[in-house]
Order: sequence, then C-alpha cells, then structure tokens
Amino acid sequence: AQTVTQSQPEMSVQEAETVTLSCTYDTSESDYYLFWYKQPPSRQMILVIRQEAYKQQNATENRFSVNFQKAAKSFSLKISDSQLGDAAMYFCAYRDINAGNNRKLIWGLGTSLAVNP
Amino acid sequence: GAVVSQHPSWVICKSGTSVKIECRSLDFQATTMFWYRQFPKQSLMLMATSNEGSKATYEQGVEKDKFLINHASLTLSTLTVTSAHPEDSSFYICSARGLAGKIDTQYFGPGTRLTVL
Repeated sequence: AQTVTQSQPEMSVQEAETVTLSCTYDTSESDYYLFWYKQPPSRQMILVIRQEAYKQQNATENRFSVNFQKAAKSFSLKISDSQLGDAAMYFCAYRDINAGNNRKLIWGLGTSLAVNP
Repeated sequence: GAVVSQHPSWVICKSGTSVKIECRSLDFQATTMFWYRQFPKQSLMLMATSNEGSKATYEQGVEKDKFLINHASLTLSTLTVTSAHPEDSSFYICSARGLAGKIDTQYFGPGTRLTVL
C-alpha cells in the first residue's frame, strides 16, 4: 500500500527567508500525482502545487516550488521569500493515476509551519 | 474557479439528533465527492467516497448507517450524521473532484465544525 511520510511535525522560518518541507512516499506505481496542500488557521484546505510523476521538470507556482526526486521517492516543497500568511499546516499527498473512479488521496501527517516576523 | 461550498460552517446539536451537512461544487461538476473527518492537529481521515447516482463507498471502520451520504446531483453531496453523540464531535470536510488542466484534483470545502452536547 502507498504511504506518505512527513518527517518534520513542526518547522519555523523567518519572514522573507526560504524554508523547505520534506515529504517521502512509497509506491510501486510508475505513474502518479503528488500534491502539497496548505491548511491555514481557517482550516480551509488550499492546493499549493501539484506534480505529475512522469514529468521530470519540477513544478513551480510563484514562490512555491518542489524538488521531485522520483528515484528517491522524495517530494519536498520550497517556500521562498516566506510571508506571514504562509503560516499554516502543510500536507503532502499522493494519488495513483489509475486507481479507478475513486482515486483517493493518501495523506502525510502534516508539517506545521510558523513564520516569525 | 473550482470553488466548493459547505453548509453549515458550524453546528451544535443535542445528543441523539441528526445533522445534515451539504457540500456543493459551485462552478464545476463533480462526479466524485469525498468526505473527511479531521481531529485537532491531525491529518485528514477519509470517511467515504461518493459518486453521483450510486451508493457511497465507505472506508473501513466507518459506520454507513450512522454517516449517511447522498450524492444526488453532479454538484451536491450531503452527509447526515444520524443519532449524533459527543464522540461524533469533529471537523468534517468535503472535497469534490474536478479537472485542473489535465490533472483531476480535489478541491475542498471550508469544513463544518460539529459539536454534539
């Protein structure tokens, strides 16, 4: 069964600096999707970034980028120029491409990110 | 785009009563919706997957007679917590599967906080 591991329960970063959140996963599939979701104190889950496993190029979304290492099964999230609004719980998630109609997400336990002014 | 609404945002009820939570995809059609439960400072726990026009698929350990799910249209799914008890108090989140480019992605509602007295 697929698993997702986030080894950092809590992280902190100074405003305007860069932080990297780690995520590793385990799967025997070759094609899949990986996601980072953000859950701020409002508890609204927000999609931050997504990566298709068959794409070698790392996904980027403004200040957010990933370092996708398929062989190592690693999918870290880098947040550049951290802002106070980035403070949130960050969840890494995995999903098979061909998992039938349900295609449920497999979640990590999350990393709580604090941004210090 | 890809907005999911959830209603109510919070509810307090007496033990033994039933509570209905609605989840709507506002600007896209969702053939599949997911219902999650989240305890404080924990990850999301998938309760069930609902497909429009068919019976929901429940995760192991989730009582289908207690958590009734109806997905009557492509934009609406409901979760009814029947005969609620204090241990059912939790944060319930729905998500709807939509297309973002070529990747189908889960978009999340803002959640419902249920408190059972």
